[in-house]
Amino acid sequence: SQTIHQWPATLVQPVGSPLSLECTVEGTSNPNLYWYRQAAGRGLQLLFYSVGIGQISSEVPQNLSASRPQDRQFILSSKKLLLSDSGFYLCAWNRGSNQPQHFGDGTRLSIL
Amino acid sequence: SQELEQSPQSLIVQEGKNLTINCTSSKTLYGLYWYKQKYGEGLIFLMMLQKGGEEKSHEKITAKLDEKKQQSSLHITASQPSHAGIYLCGADLWGNEKLTFGTGTRLTIIP
Repeated sequence: SQTIHQWPATLVQPVGSPLSLECTVEGTSNPNLYWYRQAAGRGLQLLFYSVGIGQISSEVPQNLSASRPQDRQFILSSKKLLLSDSGFYLCAWNRGSNQPQHFGDGTRLSIL
Repeated sequence: SQELEQSPQSLIVQEGKNLTINCTSSKTLYGLYWYKQKYGEGLIFLMMLQKGGEEKSHEKITAKLDEKKQQSSLHITASQPSHAGIYLCGADLWGNEKLTFGTGTRLTIIP
């Protein structure tokens, strides 16, 4: 069966520090991968989308970037965090067209 | 304005009662997905609807998509404490596999 792992679960970082969140999927190959942010009281906002290694689609201009160095690994990064980067970050995967997305447990990021 | 509207925003229901959550779009949906989220956790996939008039059930939860494929409802029969959480609808509005999510409905079940 397929599983998705996200870490860390919780992160507290100072403003201006770098960020690296990791997401890996097991039990499948060539998944579509997604990064979302969920701000308090708001719905999920799609940040990045990837259909293959090295292929990243950015949905909104922001202070973050994503990379996919391996087929089942998706990384969310920032060189300098802003206060507005606080939130709950979720990674998801699916097999492609008309397939449900499956989510990891999320990372709660607090910027001080 | 939101492309996908969910209502109500919150719902408090006595255990054993039925309830309905709605998800509405001004666009025709290519696909509609219902998820449940416990606070601070990831989303759990419940059901996917793609065809107009489609209805699916799992245990005490039934989801429907109207014929025009612009509105979906999630109905819970005889609610239980385990049904408490945040319900989110996600929709493919553009046929490009990217989902737009509603802001969620927070469901509380009281004894």
